[in-house]
Amino acid sequence: DQQVKQNSPSLSVQEGRISILNCDYTNSMFDYFLWYKKYPAEGPTFLISISSIKDKNEDGRFTVFLNKSAKHLSLHIVPSQPGDSAVYFCAAKGSAGTASKLTFGTGTRLQVTL
Amino acid sequence: DAGVIQSPRHEVTEMGQEVTLRCKPISGHNSLFWYRQTMMRGLELLIYFNNNVPIDDSGMPEDRFSAKMPNASFSTLKIQPSEPRDSAVYFCASSLWVYGANVLTFGAGSRLTVL
Repeated sequence: DQQVKQNSPSLSVQEGRISILNCDYTNSMFDYFLWYKKYPAEGPTFLISISSIKDKNEDGRFTVFLNKSAKHLSLHIVPSQPGDSAVYFCAAKGSAGTASKLTFGTGTRLQVTL
Repeated sequence: DAGVIQSPRHEVTEMGQEVTLRCKPISGHNSLFWYRQTMMRGLELLIYFNNNVPIDDSGMPEDRFSAKMPNASFSTLKIQPSEPRDSAVYFCASSLWVYGANVLTFGAGSRLTVL
């Protein structure tokens, strides 16, 4: 049972436009959410995170939005750049009081075209 | 800091052979995770350790898989015997767990091909 879902396996966006990557989760115990970026032949690298007490977190061109009632989060990249082309994984964890595991989605491959 | 170091980067083996993947976490990190990446399931957690103690191995597919962490600076993931369906990229990650945060740092991965 996939508790974290990324329903779009791929996304193509023109350089300079906004990229919106979506993620849905089913476990209401999740309270911390992260996005990781992965280039080919490399491990995933941390990009941005958000706690369930917030609904928005911004870091430069990257903003993550959290809608707890809908169990949905999204990553916005504005403006998109060719170097943003990568696979993006959404991840979630529950119970901030323990060293609990991260549950990842299946990833969305973003292609930023010139 | 050299980051999380995994070896080998690539492994090609025949069905039935034993495979051992190795991981050196970041010095000072107290949690270590083994993930497997496949197209169908994305990044799946296999097992994680906290302070060298296995905490959750519910993701280990079956008894053919085993993992150890004999000390804070080394972990192994072993598959014996290996099968073609084990072909995947295996990632090791480590973190310094603090309350409310759990940012993992991943290694570059070990790509396993079982023929």
